[in-house]
Amino acid sequence: AQSVTQPDIHITVSEGASLELRCNYSYGATPYLFWYVQSPGQGLQLLLKYFSGDTLVQGIKGFEAEFKRSQSSFNLRKPSVHWSDAAEYFCAVGAAGNKLTFGGGTRVLVKP
Amino acid sequence: GAVVSQHPSRVICKSGTSVKIECRSLDFQATTMFWYRQFPKQSLMLMATSNEGSKATYEQGVEKDKFLINHASLTLSTLTVTSAHPEDSSFYICSARDRVAASNEQFFGPGTRLTVL
Repeated sequence: AQSVTQPDIHITVSEGASLELRCNYSYGATPYLFWYVQSPGQGLQLLLKYFSGDTLVQGIKGFEAEFKRSQSSFNLRKPSVHWSDAAEYFCAVGAAGNKLTFGGGTRVLVKP
Repeated sequence: GAVVSQHPSRVICKSGTSVKIECRSLDFQATTMFWYRQFPKQSLMLMATSNEGSKATYEQGVEKDKFLINHASLTLSTLTVTSAHPEDSSFYICSARDRVAASNEQFFGPGTRLTVL
């Protein structure tokens, strides 16, 4: 069975500082990996996805993520955080034609 | 492109009543839609997979008679919470997968906040 772990429940970062959110997955084959962001009371917005090819993936809003098969990780990064990046971030894993499994989420707080 | 809508965005109902939530793919056809439930400050839990023209597939522990799912067309799936009780209060989110897309990327609706009094 596939599973996703986001070790950090909360992260507080100063505006302008860098951000890294960790994601570890468990899946028997090459997974499809996703990062979503959710603002309070809202649905999910896709930040980026990895299916194959270049392991460094660029997404929207200045985010990027790196797929590391040896570590079963897909960490999300942003070089300089803006106050509007405060939200809940979810990592998800899925197989072709199959359902998604979400991690527990990481809440990001941005200090001015 | 790839917009998914949900209606209503918020609903408050009395205990014992039934509530229907609609999920629509606005600019693409979705043979598969998914229904998730999200409790406050928690992650999304998949409730069921809705396939157009066939019965939904429910996750373990989800009562199919409680949460009725109908996927009558390629752009519409509905979730009906029957005989709702306060413990059914939650944030319900649907997603849809484009039938012509090679990947299994899902596009999410904005969610429906259900409050049962």
